[in-house]
Amino acid sequence: AAGVIQSPRHLIKEKRETATLKCYPIPRHDTVYWYQQGPGQDPQFLISFYEKMQSDKGSIPDRFSAQQFSDYHSELNMSSLELGDSALYFCASSFMATFGANVLTFGAGSRLTVL
Amino acid sequence: QQQVKQSPQSLIVQKGGISIINCAYENTAFDYFPWYQQFPGKGPALLIAIRPDVSEKKEGRFTISFNKSAKQFSLHIMDSQPGDSATYFCAARNSGGGADGLTFGKGTHLIIQP
Repeated sequence: AAGVIQSPRHLIKEKRETATLKCYPIPRHDTVYWYQQGPGQDPQFLISFYEKMQSDKGSIPDRFSAQQFSDYHSELNMSSLELGDSALYFCASSFMATFGANVLTFGAGSRLTVL
Repeated sequence: QQQVKQSPQSLIVQKGGISIINCAYENTAFDYFPWYQQFPGKGPALLIAIRPDVSEKKEGRFTISFNKSAKQFSLHIMDSQPGDSATYFCAARNSGGGADGLTFGKGTHLIIQP
């Protein structure tokens, strides 16, 4: 079965540089979520999109932005990178149900290292 | 403020034993409670989930117990195996909140000793 695809898997950047992470959701999934997980930490919700519109916003820094495109893939753009941005970034996707909870499936993550 | 409190932070269980991880939540709007299993360098994978209209759900060796009045839920892993060694996260969300993100607990690092 197709899973959530994230790229790149690993990324090394210098401070103040810009990074872009990509997420390709499971086919027919219409909702994408971005999470940040620091070493030994729980995943922190950043932002979500439903049908290409921003749906919910968590602890996403103003230096970060994201969007969902017409093919439902999403990109997380991070500018003015700081050392503290080094983390695993996970994308999850789901199919929004009218009733009940939709199940989030996570990708393998993109590891960002800021030097 | 941590909306989902998880304990213990780490747990060591002998092979064949029962692993128990507890979570408590504050937000009464939460109505979906999944547990995720995460191996190092991998994404969280859904293990089992429960809604508050049932008090227990069992899937194989994994059981969720839910106490709505106490706002607590727990994961029991029966006959724990070394392959169960991983980090476990409880989570919660308001399913009526559209694409609201999951709120995770801090995680429990479980080690099953052979």
